[in-house]
Amino acid sequence: AQSVSQHNHHVILSEAASLELGCNYSYGGTVNLFWYVQYPGQHLQLLLKYFSGDPLVKGIKGFEAEFIKSKFSFNLRKPSVQWSDTAEYFCAVRAGTSYGKLTFGQGTILTVHP
Amino acid sequence: GAVVSQHPSWVICKSGTSVKIECRSLDFQATTMFWYRQFPKQSLMLMATSNEGSKATYEQGVEKDKFLINHASLTLSTLTVTSAHPEDSSFYICSARGPGSATEAFFGQGTRLTVV
Repeated sequence: AQSVSQHNHHVILSEAASLELGCNYSYGGTVNLFWYVQYPGQHLQLLLKYFSGDPLVKGIKGFEAEFIKSKFSFNLRKPSVQWSDTAEYFCAVRAGTSYGKLTFGQGTILTVHP
Repeated sequence: GAVVSQHPSWVICKSGTSVKIECRSLDFQATTMFWYRQFPKQSLMLMATSNEGSKATYEQGVEKDKFLINHASLTLSTLTVTSAHPEDSSFYICSARGPGSATEAFFGQGTRLTVV
């Protein structure tokens, strides 16, 4: 079975700082990769996804992620964070044979100070 | 993106009673729905996967007789927590996806269940 590990539980940054959230997964086959964001009091929203093709994926709100197959990683990046990026971020993996079910990482809480 | 609506957003019930949570896809046909449970400060744990018109597939360790899942139509799935206990208190989230291998899943807003 696949598993997902997010490196940091809580990240605290000042506005305009750069962000990188780590995500590693364990699964040897074909995977689809996702990053979701959960703003306080709101439901999960998709930030970006990787299915195939260019391993550098651009998502909404200036976020991007790079799939490095050799490292089983899918790190999330943003060059300059804003206070409104304060939220919890989840990395998720969908194995090719899992009929759509997602395995989530434990989540990373991002706090951005103005 | 597509909209998935969960109802109720929160519910408080007494121990021993049953609670039904609805998950609806409002603008697409959800051939597959997923039910997750999220404990405080933890990630989402998949409970079960349901395909329209067939029995749900439960993850290991999830009691299928306690968490009854029905997916009778392409737009509605329900999760019934039977004989609820305080340890069932949690945040339950559904997600739904349409047909095809390249489709993403959309999430409902979640239901906060408190059993007293």
